[in-house]
Amino acid sequence: QSALTQPASVSGSPGQSITISCIGTSSDIGGYNYVSWYRQHPGKAPKVMIYDVNTRPSGVSTRFSGSRSGNTASLTISGLQAEDEADYYCSSYTSSSTWVFGGGTKLTVL
Amino acid sequence: QVQLVQSGSELKKPGASVKVSCKASGYTFTSYAMNWVRQAPGQGLEWMGWINTNTANPTYAQGFTGRFVFFLDTSVSTAYLQISSLKAEDTAVYYCARGNYRPDYWGQGTLVTVSS
Repeated sequence: QSALTQPASVSGSPGQSITISCIGTSSDIGGYNYVSWYRQHPGKAPKVMIYDVNTRPSGVSTRFSGSRSGNTASLTISGLQAEDEADYYCSSYTSSSTWVFGGGTKLTVL
Repeated sequence: QVQLVQSGSELKKPGASVKVSCKASGYTFTSYAMNWVRQAPGQGLEWMGWINTNTANPTYAQGFTGRFVFFLDTSVSTAYLQISSLKAEDTAVYYCARGNYRPDYWGQGTLVTVSS
């Protein structure tokens, strides 16, 4: 199972919106509603920001939203804040009954 | 509240073994699978596999067969990862993560360093 494809880096200024893409296949992202997004600050464990494509866990800011079109999932962060600077990962359940992660995207807040 | 608390950092020599624990609380342990995820220094997340907490049947991802073993002690709601014949390239942070189809709660991670 190949890793999902994410851009290595994205950047934005405070207050702007950014979108991170996550490209998979019909055997993972396109085939299941089990797409999740995580934020990871240096030295910390990943934190779930979005699950089941577009659901926010309790306590996660409404500035975070998820979507999917075909085999590509996206995470949008609106109103960028300094605390959003982190690594972001996507993941999906697969047809092989496994999980697969994206390679990660480093978000820089300028 | 759901918590997954992992054991502390380990420093091991090549060829040794290590056991990482993940103690769950705040939910019925056997209601969710437990997954293991590796993160090598400066690298991304890599799914290692999962263990069925009802049957104790493990499933290993490609690249994690042979030296890696998942097991449970359901009496204390704890999952374990054991790695044998450690190599320098096993140096990483290992996370447990609860979930049947997607991870929802994660442990804090355990750093395993393999160095002579």
